[in-house]
This record gives sequence, C-alpha cells and structure tokens, in this order.
Amino acid sequence: QVQLQESGPGLVKPSETLSLTCTVSGGSIRTYYWSWIRQPPGKGLEWIGFIYTSDSGDTSYSPSLKSRVTISVDTSKNQFSLKLSSVTVADTAVYYCARGVVSGGDSYDHWGQGIPVTVSS
Amino acid sequence: SSELTQDPDVSVALGQTVRITCQGDSLRRYYASWYQQKPGQAPVLVIYGSNTRPSGIPDRFSGSNSGNTASLTITGAQAEDEADYYCNSRDSSGNHLLFGGGTKLTVL
Repeated sequence: QVQLQESGPGLVKPSETLSLTCTVSGGSIRTYYWSWIRQPPGKGLEWIGFIYTSDSGDTSYSPSLKSRVTISVDTSKNQFSLKLSSVTVADTAVYYCARGVVSGGDSYDHWGQGIPVTVSS
Repeated sequence: SSELTQDPDVSVALGQTVRITCQGDSLRRYYASWYQQKPGQAPVLVIYGSNTRPSGIPDRFSGSNSGNTASLTITGAQAEDEADYYCNSRDSSGNHLLFGGGTKLTVL
C-alpha cells in the first residue's frame, strides 16, 4: 500500500522560503506524477504543481504561484520536495502531497495526511 | 476560462439522491475527478474518469459528464456522506490542474 508523508517546518517567517518534503513508501516514485496541493484555513483546495518522474522530469506549476514555486524529486530517496519562496501570511495553509495518475483523466489516488504551515514573524 | 465552478452548499434528506455539479469550459475536453473531504482529514478520491470508483468507495457514488458540466451523484445519501466535495481537472490549456471551490454537503 502506497503511503505518503509530508515533513518540514511548521512555522516560516515572512519573506523566507517554505521547504517541504514528501516521502513515498510502499511503491516506487519512478512512475506516475507527484503533486503538492494546499488548503488555507477554512478554504478550499488549491493545486500548486506537479513533477513527472519519468526521464523528462517535466514540471507544471499553478500560474498564480509559478514565479515562487519549485518542485523537485530525489528518486534515490523516494522523495519529492516543494520550495515556495518569498512567503507571506497568505501562504499559511495545510500542505498535502499526492500521487497523480492518468487513467481516463487525471486523479489523485493517494494523499499524505497534510502538514500545517504557518507564516508568521 | 480556467475555472471550475461548484455550488458552495447543497443539502439532501437522508436516503435521498443528490447531485453535485462542477462547471467549466475545460470539462468539454477533460474528465473531472471527485474528492470527499471530512473535517481534519485529507481528501479521498471517490470518482475518476468517465465514472470509475476506486476500490472501497460505495457504489452509491457515481459520476457523469455532459458538455461543460461534470456531476457527482450520491444515490441514497447516508449520514457519513456529509462532507466537502471537490472536483479537479485540467485547465483549458491542458498544462495545469485546478480544483473547484468545493461543495459542502449536508445530510438532513
């Protein structure tokens, strides 16, 4: 059974860079695609971006966050990571990592439990 | 446009049928997937593709698509179905994904 687990600091100062890691267990990270999704308190889900772990290593980011986001993968550790620069209080959210599958359309079939991140001085 | 629009609140009587909709231009080209989220929990995939349920999802959940609208139908809603529901699909460019704003389902 594939499991995903987010890790990283729960508190980040404004203007700094938020860094999170998702560790995948129970399966290889070398197939599918891998995403970050966030949810501000009391609000809906927001797609941040994904990375394909095929040879291309293609990434795609939300247009609204593209200038500040980097998603990368470390296949040797079965991990992928999120970096979000120049954070503000608006980036306070629960951050989820998820596995993306393309089968008759896109879907996220496995999710991490989520990690709350607060941006505050 | 690159938006997916959902009704914010929907209610259904216990045991009755409810349809939750998701509208967007990109749905004319791409299927939506649907997620159930209960308070304090991660979302769970309930429908993907044209109308496929992952293992473990009750068969009272079904999906359909028509034009620019994707729908999630719960036939015989149960108390445990009370949750937030989100649709997800590609945007019109096909290069990004996005979520609908979510629908809070109340089972009366």
